[in-house]
Amino acid sequence: DVKVTQSSRYLVKRTGEKVFLECVQDMDHENMFWYRQDPGLGLRLIYFSYDVKMKEKGDIPEGYSVSREKKERFSLILESASTNQTSMYLCASRRTVYGYTFGSGTRLTVV
Amino acid sequence: EDQVTQSPEALRLQEGESSSLNCSYTVSGLRGLFWYRQDPGKGPEFLFTLYSAGEEKEKERLKATLTKKESFLHITAPKPEDSATYLCAVQAQGTGNQFYFGTGTSLTVIP
Repeated sequence: DVKVTQSSRYLVKRTGEKVFLECVQDMDHENMFWYRQDPGLGLRLIYFSYDVKMKEKGDIPEGYSVSREKKERFSLILESASTNQTSMYLCASRRTVYGYTFGSGTRLTVV
Repeated sequence: EDQVTQSPEALRLQEGESSSLNCSYTVSGLRGLFWYRQDPGKGPEFLFTLYSAGEEKEKERLKATLTKKESFLHITAPKPEDSATYLCAVQAQGTGNQFYFGTGTSLTVIP
């Protein structure tokens, strides 16, 4: 069965910390995405990547960066975590023309 | 501006009571409309893709339909295990790999 694996289900970090969220897919998909999901706001795209070492900004990239050194791995980096980055973070991958496959999500709390 | 609106926000049904969820969209050109199911604390799970008006897809008690302006997810004789949030997403022409998500309908089926 195809999978997108996010390294942590729950994380608690302090304000100002640098935070790494890892995502690995085993489907050889070209495209990978990072979303955050907040009540009433739905899913908002942070960054996406359509190839190794390529990245594109989504709708809300401020305060985030990404890294894609290998096709199967897409990392989201919070440079200096803030309380307004407390959220559910979802990684997804897709092959062109198909829908997303999502990971289980990481619930990040910044205190 | 491309938009996706889902209604109602929340729906409570008795077991066996059929109903429909709505996803209306305004995009310049539709490439695909996607339905997902999301259980609490988990990532969305893919259900259906619809590409053109008049298309229908079915899976167990769920049936998705598409017109030029909206999609419906019909739930026939729901069971408690159908309780979840149902998300709709649209991929518009010219947006590359980006999807636009609605905020979801939270469905509760009461035994």
